[in-house]
This record gives sequence, C-alpha cells and structure tokens, in this order.
Amino acid sequence: GDSVTQTEGQVTVSESKSLIINCTYSTTSIAYPNLFWYVRYPGEGLQLLLKVITAGQKGSSRGFEATYNKETTSFHLQKASVQESDSAVYYCALGDRNYAQGLTFGLGTRVSVFP
Amino acid sequence: GPKVLQIPSHQIIDMGQMVTLNCDPVSNHLYFYWYKQILGQQMEFLVNFYNGKVMEKSKLFKDQFSVERPDGSYFTLKIQPTALEDSAVYFCASSFDRVEQYFGPGTRLTVL
Repeated sequence: GDSVTQTEGQVTVSESKSLIINCTYSTTSIAYPNLFWYVRYPGEGLQLLLKVITAGQKGSSRGFEATYNKETTSFHLQKASVQESDSAVYYCALGDRNYAQGLTFGLGTRVSVFP
Repeated sequence: GPKVLQIPSHQIIDMGQMVTLNCDPVSNHLYFYWYKQILGQQMEFLVNFYNGKVMEKSKLFKDQFSVERPDGSYFTLKIQPTALEDSAVYFCASSFDRVEQYFGPGTRLTVL
C-alpha cells in the first residue's frame, strides 16, 4: 500500500528561526504520486498549503517551500523565518493521478512558534 | 477562500443507533469525499462520490455506511447501525478538479 511518514510529532521553534518538517513517502501502486502539504490552523479546517505534481519540482506558498525528490522519496517542508502565525499542524499527503483512493496522509506535525 | 461546512461538530449516540453526518460542500464542486480519523492515527480515505455515484471506496467503508447527495444539497454520510469502532472524527472534502480538495472542520462522533 501507500504510506506517508512524518517523523516529528511536535516541533517548537522561536520566531524568525528556520523550520524544516520531514516527510517521506512510500508507494507500491503509484509510479509518480502527486504530493501535498496541508495545514490546520487552530479552530479551522484543513487547508491546502502547496502541491507538486512533477518529480524534481519545487512548490512554494506563504514563505514555505517543498521539493519533490523522487530519489529519496521525500517532500520536506521548509521555511527560512517563521512567525507566530505559522503555529499550526502540518500534514504531508500523497495522491495518485486519478485520486481514485483519495489522499494518503501522514500523522501530522504540530508546530509551535514562540515569540 | 471557499469553505466546506460540517454539521454537527459533535455527535454522541448509543451503539446500534443510526447517525447522519452532514456536509455542505463548496457550491461549484463536483467531487465529494469522506475521511475518518481515529484519535492518534492518520486521516484515512473512506469514499469518493461523483455525479450521484460512489466512485471508489476503501476497506474502511463498511456495509453499514452509505453516502448520498439528494438534489444537490448536503452530502451525507449515514452509519446504520453504529458500532463502538466508528468513534472518530469524520472529515468531508470537496473538489472541483480532484487535484485540490477543500476540507471541512470535521464532525467528532462518539459511540457509547
């Protein structure tokens, strides 16, 4: 089957510091999955942060970046300088081209940014 | 941005009863989904629905589950009868193109 692994359940970081959230994926049925980062801010529903559908490409949004690395099967999320408003839970996800089985999600990483 | 609403936010029922979870998707969206998340576990795909029909369902989508969207209104997930293992947060999502899914805030279902 398909799986997504986020190794950190919780990350605490000071404002203006850099952030990296690790994501690796495994798929037995999809040669080139589409990859996503979703974010849930406190009290809100899940929102798409960024997506990349081509291996080797980088996606970016709101100062966050992630590069689709097919060789290492990774899609790490990075931000150079975080703000308190970035405190949220971040989910890595993959989907096949037809999205026949919906999205496969990681467990999520809770990011807390302190001033 | 576009919002998906879910009603109710919490539901507590006794095992064996029927429950209907309601989702108000984004108005021009064509694809609809339900996901289930048990506390401490990943969110998992249950079913997707398009043009009045179930397109795909996972092994989690038991025979006791059904979905419908009568007359283009709410997209509903019905569980009849409920079991203890159905306790979870259920998320609805909708999409125009299947690439970008918009999620609701979830309904927390507790089966006693």
